[in-house]
Amino acid sequence: AQSVTQLGSHVSVSEGALVLLRCNYSSSVPPYLFWYVQYPNQGLQLLLKYTTGATLVKGINGFEAEFKKSETSFHLTKPSAHMSDAAEYFCAVRFTAGGTSYGKLTFGQGTILTVHP
Amino acid sequence: DGGITQSPKYLFRKEGQNVTLSCEQNLNHDAMYWYRQDPGQGLRLIYYSQIVNDFQKGDIAEGYSVSREKKESFPLTVTSAQKNPTAFYLCASSRAGGSYNEQFFGPGTRLTVL
Repeated sequence: AQSVTQLGSHVSVSEGALVLLRCNYSSSVPPYLFWYVQYPNQGLQLLLKYTTGATLVKGINGFEAEFKKSETSFHLTKPSAHMSDAAEYFCAVRFTAGGTSYGKLTFGQGTILTVHP
Repeated sequence: DGGITQSPKYLFRKEGQNVTLSCEQNLNHDAMYWYRQDPGQGLRLIYYSQIVNDFQKGDIAEGYSVSREKKESFPLTVTSAQKNPTAFYLCASSRAGGSYNEQFFGPGTRLTVL
């Protein structure tokens, strides 16, 4: 079955440290991949997306992600964490095969990022 | 400014009552979606609509109903048949014509059943 897994429901880093949030998917066909951020009691905002082309994708707020087909991964990184990065992050996948519904996104469970001073 | 509005932001309901959540978009998007968010479970799709007067069930449609009479509007009704309706509800929209198009989200409605 097609699924999305975010490793680690909570990640804690110090301000200025590297941020690494992990996302893996299960599918034999490369999907379209998205990362969203959610601040408390708000909607989701798109950080970045991968559809085709360059596998290293740059997004807003200094975040980037790399699509690795061989590892079926799309991990999100930021070289230096800022206090304002504290939020919940969701990996979302649109599977492109298997008769999935039009436009349907499958979301991971989310990772809450805490940034310590 | 283009965007998605949801109202109300907070909603309280007594058991046994139906309640309708509003979702309006002025992005000229054809597709609209409703998600339910519970802590630690990510977002789960309730219903989606690709075009006016047409909608499809998502993964957890039981106890919910929708309508799509206008392109801009996609209201969600939480019926008394929904066993555990307390959750955060998110509406989204996207352009048609390509599954690479991202979804844009509204600010959400937090529903609490008393």
